[in-house]
Amino acid sequence: DAKTTQPPSMDCAEGRAANLPCNHSTISGNEYVYWYRQIHSQGPQYIIHGLKNNETNEMASLIITEDRKSSTLILPHATLRDTAVYYCIVRVLGQGAQKLVFGQGTRLTINP
Amino acid sequence: DAGVTQSPTHLIKTRGQHVTLRCSPISGHKSVSWYQQVLGQGPQFIFQYYEKEERGRGNFPDRFSARQFPNYSSELNVNALLLGDSALYLCASSLVGRLSSTDTQYFGPGTRLTVL
Repeated sequence: DAKTTQPPSMDCAEGRAANLPCNHSTISGNEYVYWYRQIHSQGPQYIIHGLKNNETNEMASLIITEDRKSSTLILPHATLRDTAVYYCIVRVLGQGAQKLVFGQGTRLTINP
Repeated sequence: DAGVTQSPTHLIKTRGQHVTLRCSPISGHKSVSWYQQVLGQGPQFIFQYYEKEERGRGNFPDRFSARQFPNYSSELNVNALLLGDSALYLCASSLVGRLSSTDTQYFGPGTRLTVL
């Protein structure tokens, strides 16, 4: 499984852009990068995913480097409700199963 | 549209007992996966089911079992409960459970199991 490395915690001021980095240097050519977030003891919420091109949706933007060894999730205008643990995941298909391998994630705190 | 639903939301059991957790996927989704999340850690994969067949299993003992019904809902069963089984149990559904750019897993709110 391709592993990901994320900083354990980050802070961001409300209204500013939050940029969350992720390293996945062993990613394979057909593995996607997924981002989920989990707000205190709720189920993880899907945010965005990509293969090699930058992606944007109503929640966030995902920037993947050309060598695909790292990516950045961008929340353009962070609000207090964006305080959560953010997981960067490389999605693998193993033993016939589609499984998400979660790491420790980044605890993002949005400060007023 | 309703998302993934799970029941019960909370459950308290004692060591040695058995528990059954239930999950209903998003309408139209045929694959269900189960994850265990111990306090302070990320979720860990337990099972994936697709069309009532087990597609994969994580590193969990045989005390953990699951099944999927014709309506694609699923049950997770845990026998001989241990204190270490206390966790948030998450169910996720996806369309077909295969690696594709459109097959995303969506999670339910989870069932909080406490074993005393």
